[in-house]
Amino acid sequence: DSGVTQTPKHLITATGQRVTLRCSPRSGDLSVYWYQQSLDQGLQFLIQYYNGEERAKGNILERFSAQQFPDLHSELNLSSLELGDSALYFCASGESSGNTIYFGEGSWLTVV
Amino acid sequence: GENVEQHPSTLSVQEGDSAVIKCTYSDSASNYFPWYKQELGKGPQLIIDIRSNVGEKKDQRIAVTLNKTAKHFSLHITETQPEDSAVYFCAASKPPGSARQLTFGSGTQLTVLP
Repeated sequence: DSGVTQTPKHLITATGQRVTLRCSPRSGDLSVYWYQQSLDQGLQFLIQYYNGEERAKGNILERFSAQQFPDLHSELNLSSLELGDSALYFCASGESSGNTIYFGEGSWLTVV
Repeated sequence: GENVEQHPSTLSVQEGDSAVIKCTYSDSASNYFPWYKQELGKGPQLIIDIRSNVGEKKDQRIAVTLNKTAKHFSLHITETQPEDSAVYFCAASKPPGSARQLTFGSGTQLTVLP
C-alpha cells in the first residue's frame, strides 16, 4: 500500500458527461501529480500541484482541470467526455524535498 | 523536454534466468532514475531508483546501472520468479526545484515462464 488513496476505483459514464476523480496523498506529501494511462500512450503526465498551487502542466486537455485543496487532497475534473478519454487515471504524491513519487491504485474510467 | 526510450517492449524469460531492460534519456540535466513495477489492475510501484552520483545500486535480486556519459540506464533482475511477471517502467526526472514530474518510458511487459 503506497498510502495514496484514489476514488472511485471504477467509473462508467456516457459521452458528454463530467466526472470528478479524487486523490488523497500520503501523509506529509505536499506534491500531487496526475497521470493518464491508456493502452497506446503509456503513462502521460497531466499536471502537478504543490501545496495548493499548480506547479507544472503536461499534456492536459482544456476539457480537464484539477485543483489541490488546503487539506492537500486533489481532484481531477474531466468534462465533455469522449470515448478516447477512457483510461486509467493515476494520482501520485511526493515529498517536498525529493524526487520520489508514489502512485495510487488508479481510477478506471470507461466512457460509453 | 525530456524523452525516455525503453527496450524491449516485451520480454519472456525462463524462471531462474536473468532479465535486462534498457532505457535511454535525452536531457543531460536529469539526475534521478526510478524503476516502477506495475501488476495487472494496480498502480505502478517503485522498486528501485538511482541518482546520477551513483553508477550502480543493488537490492537483493534487482540492480540498476547508470551510464551518465551515454545517457542510459538499465534494470537487471536475476533469478527471475513467476511473481516478477509485470510491466516495468523506467523514468527520468530533473533535480528538485524544477518541475519534477517524471518522464516515463513506454514500458516492458516481462513474462517469466515456469
